[in-house]
Amino acid sequence: SQQGEEDPQALSIQEGENATMNCSYKTSINNLQWYRQNSGRGLVHLILIRSNEREKHSGRLRVTLDTSKKSSSLLITASRAADTASYFCATALRGINTGNQFYFGTGTSLTVIP
Amino acid sequence: EAGVAQSPRYKIIEKRQSVAFWCNPISGHATLYWYQQILGQGPKLLIQFQNNGVVDDSQLPKDRFSAERLKGVDSTLKIQPAKLEDSAVYLCASSTRLTGGSYEQYFGPGTRLTVT
Repeated sequence: SQQGEEDPQALSIQEGENATMNCSYKTSINNLQWYRQNSGRGLVHLILIRSNEREKHSGRLRVTLDTSKKSSSLLITASRAADTASYFCATALRGINTGNQFYFGTGTSLTVIP
Repeated sequence: EAGVAQSPRYKIIEKRQSVAFWCNPISGHATLYWYQQILGQGPKLLIQFQNNGVVDDSQLPKDRFSAERLKGVDSTLKIQPAKLEDSAVYLCASSTRLTGGSYEQYFGPGTRLTVT
């Protein structure tokens, strides 16, 4: 299966601390994306990193990608209570003229304690 | 810009009954996805459409699940007959092509199905 695996499964930190979660996958990818899911709601796209990129920043988010190790990490700096959610990595395989095919990981449940 | 619409939001049925979910993607998005998300797990792709054609349905249990996207716009996903293990949230997403050939997905709120 191409499905990625996030690590850790659950993470609990104090507000203001940094949170790091990791994603490992199995086959070559076109790009890797991180999504956030608040309890009982749909997923929201956070950031995309292409296979030829090594690092990407967006606000308090920093994503790294190591294609040689088939792994990615998501760092959330200066966490807030509102960051409490589940975070998923999604690996995108190239589809010829058809859009990417996505495989989601198992998710990391982040709790930020006020 | 309106988001991805799904209905119903919740559905409770008994096993062996049938159920249908509806999705209307963001206007202009050619690619539409249906995912099944079981509690505590990540979304699993069931079927992917490009316009009104199926791109990938390798994980769709075809003996009981069916989906269509007539006219390449909205889509329906049907389960007949339902089993207890079908209890999950069914998510619809659509995507658009970004610069460089990458795609970003936009998700609807999902339909929470409970099979009793």
